[in-house]
Parts: sequence; structure tokens; C-alpha cells
Amino acid sequence: NAGVTQTPKFQVLKTGQSMTLQCAQDMNHNSMYWYRQDPGMGLRLIYYSASEGTTDKGEVPNGYNVSRLNKREFSLRLESAAPSQTSVYFCASRGGQAGYEQYFGPGTRLTVT
Amino acid sequence: DAKTTQPPSMDCAEGRAANLPCNHSTISGNEYVYWYRQIHSQGPQYIIHGLKNNETNEMASLIITEDRKSSTLILPHATLRDTAVYYCISPPGTYKYIFGTGTRLKVLA
Repeated sequence: NAGVTQTPKFQVLKTGQSMTLQCAQDMNHNSMYWYRQDPGMGLRLIYYSASEGTTDKGEVPNGYNVSRLNKREFSLRLESAAPSQTSVYFCASRGGQAGYEQYFGPGTRLTVT
Repeated sequence: DAKTTQPPSMDCAEGRAANLPCNHSTISGNEYVYWYRQIHSQGPQYIIHGLKNNETNEMASLIITEDRKSSTLILPHATLRDTAVYYCISPPGTYKYIFGTGTRLKVLA
């Protein structure tokens, strides 16, 4: 099992450009998550999907959209990138029941100039 | 939401037990306590979780007080590879995790 995979690993954007971060999991998990981590800070939840077909806002959803494409895939889109969105983005998945842990991907390092 | 508080940093000598405390005084009866760690800038790694009883696995032990207002993660024989940021989390319900800034553990040779 590959676990949780994310693409790309690194990306540089200019202000105003758009892009989509891809995430896939092969553990048949119901729930998936997108977090961002700024330098020296903890992770902050952007959006999550409790199950296929549902998405909900987390702590910092402004400037982002998400799509739960199917049970395996959960993408994060930046429509008009801003320098404040420079961060490391982590995707995670979990079984979806109480008492189940999250599994994280390796992260995407995004720089917006 | 059950908020957690942790000391910002701790040091531990290699080979000794590392005891990382977490306060979650507002936790409700059905909220679990989870511990994760993050080494350098990798994705966080699950360590252990518990509800009421103490738990042990191959990585660590989790001691939860009887009133569930605090817990301690114990790494029994810390190694240099245990140097990381450790997060204590108590998510409300099943889905929404709030990570906080964690405890930066430095294991000293």
C-alpha cells in the first residue's frame, strides 16, 4: 500500500495563478482532510470530507476550494494564489469512526511569489 | 471543542524516559485523546490514542488521569530519532482535528 500520496511535491506560483493539489489514498478510508502548515506553526485544517460526496470547512477555508472526486481522491484548488498561501500542504485520511487515527501524506511545498 | 495545552519545548537525555504532558481540562466524555509527532517537515505520524484507560503500544505509553483532564505521553527510552514536535489532540466528534503548536522535544546525546 502506498498510503496517502500527494502531487506535486513542490510548486512555485505567481500571484493570481491557479492550481490544484492532488491527494489519493489506497486504504479505503471514508474521511479525508487538507491542512496547511506555515513555518514554525502547527497544522491548521482547511477543509475536510467526512465521506464521499460531502465536504466541510475547517479553520482556514478562505481562498480554497475542494473536490471529493471519489472515495480515493480529494483535491484542493487555489483559484487565485496569494503570497499568504505560501505554506506546506498536507493531506490526510482516516477510517471515519471514533477511535481511528489519521494517516498523512508527505506534503506539498507551495511558494507564491 | 476540547482545547489542549502543552509546554512549548522539552529536553530529554538519550536513553531516559521522555514524559510529555498535555492538559485537556474541557474534554467531554466521548472525546478521545490522540498523540502525533512530526519529524522535521514530514507529515505527522500517529503514535497512540486513548479514551479512559491507559494505553501502550510499541512506540509509547499513554497515561490518562482518572478525571480525564490531562494525559502524559511516555517514550520509555528516548533516542535521537525521537527528536520531533509532539502534538496532543482531542477532536470534538469524529472528524475535526485542531492540532495546536505542540511540544518540541529535543533528545540530547
